[in-house]
Amino acid sequence: KAGVTQTPRYLIKTRGQQVTLSCSPISGHRSVSWYQQTPGQGLQFLFEYFSETQRNKGNFPGRFSGRQFSNSRSEMNVSTLELGDSALYLCASSFVSVKPQETQYFGPGTRLLVL
Amino acid sequence: GDSVTQMEGPVTLSEEAFLTINCTYTATGYPSLFWYVQYPGEGLQLLLKATKADDKGSNKGFEATYRKETTSFHLEKGSVQVSDSAVYFCALSGIIQGAQKLVFGQGTRLTINP
Repeated sequence: KAGVTQTPRYLIKTRGQQVTLSCSPISGHRSVSWYQQTPGQGLQFLFEYFSETQRNKGNFPGRFSGRQFSNSRSEMNVSTLELGDSALYLCASSFVSVKPQETQYFGPGTRLLVL
Repeated sequence: GDSVTQMEGPVTLSEEAFLTINCTYTATGYPSLFWYVQYPGEGLQLLLKATKADDKGSNKGFEATYRKETTSFHLEKGSVQVSDSAVYFCALSGIIQGAQKLVFGQGTRLTINP
């Protein structure tokens, strides 16, 4: 079974631009979560989607948004990029989202550099 | 809110040494606990997990026991190898606002010298 895939793997943007990142979950998984990883803040939860609905959201500004499609693929968008948005963005999928014992499986991440 | 505190790194050991990485947590309810590992340039891989008190998770020689009385989930390995060099993250999973959410520790960088 294929793992979680993320595209693109690397991205360079300039301040003020916007970016869209894509995540394809493991086949059969309906929950997709997004995390931001930076050296200073570590791993921080962005949001989680299940059956095309955002079920949970972290403490990030409204510039960060996402969506999920009927095939469970998810995208996240960051508008008006700032230098501090440079990070590794990780996507994780799980079968369902309402059980704490459910394992989340991570993709390789998209490394975003904002210049 | 829920939180995870990990042993500060970096940790440097010689091959075949015994490894312990401490992890303690604060949570309401009954979280599940996880250890993830991140190799250079890669995403996170699940190493092991435990879903209830006194459960022991194990994988690839690594072990961790869910200790509710000490709110801990320390990672141990009896004999480390150079290939174990990576960053290790302790995490808890709880239901927050009706949906699952992972809360991570800050990560511990482990370097094993031959």
